[in-house]
Amino acid sequence: QQQVKQSPQSLIVQKGGIPIINCAYENTAFDYFPWYQQFPGKGPALLIAIRPDVSEKKEGRFTISFNKSAKQFSLHIMDSQPGDSATYFCAASNPGGSYIPTFGRGTSLIVHP
Amino acid sequence: ETGVTQSPTHLIKTRGQQVTLRCSSQSGHNTVSWYQQALGQGPQFIFQYYREEENGRGNFPPRFSGLQFPNYSSELNVNALELDDSALYLCASSHLAGERETQYFGPGTRLLVL
Repeated sequence: QQQVKQSPQSLIVQKGGIPIINCAYENTAFDYFPWYQQFPGKGPALLIAIRPDVSEKKEGRFTISFNKSAKQFSLHIMDSQPGDSATYFCAASNPGGSYIPTFGRGTSLIVHP
Repeated sequence: ETGVTQSPTHLIKTRGQQVTLRCSSQSGHNTVSWYQQALGQGPQFIFQYYREEENGRGNFPPRFSGLQFPNYSSELNVNALELDDSALYLCASSHLAGERETQYFGPGTRLLVL
């Protein structure tokens, strides 16, 4: 059972474009929604995260939009750059003493110069 | 670069063999989590160790086992390897088991089972 569904699987944009990656979750107990960025040969790195008490969070060129009633959240990358080309994973986790994120399947983003 | 290191970087094994993967956590971190990332998929949680004790386990069979040592480094052991075990194995360390923002991943060990 896939608890976090991510789309699209791949995305190609031109430099300066605004790629949008979407995720949907099923478990209403999730209380933390991070996005990770993974470059080839590297492990995932936390990019930005949101909690369900806010609808939007911005950090630099990265914005998370969160819709609690629809159980959906999305990542927007403003003014995308070729260096943003990577695989992006959304994730979600329950509250509790152990941080155990459930990851989406990932989106491969290519930003053309 | 994170301070989490993993060895080896690549490994080829045959079906039925056993494998041991190693992870050195970032300095000051006492929690290590292991993940399996199949090709084209997101990481899947295998288990977590906190201060040398297993602190949570995902949906993986008992042939996946682990250890954490007094210096908080960790091993992942997989017995009776199957073809589907081919994947990137990631470890992540954090200062506390529930810590979210400062869980850092290593670069992974890519395992190929033939």
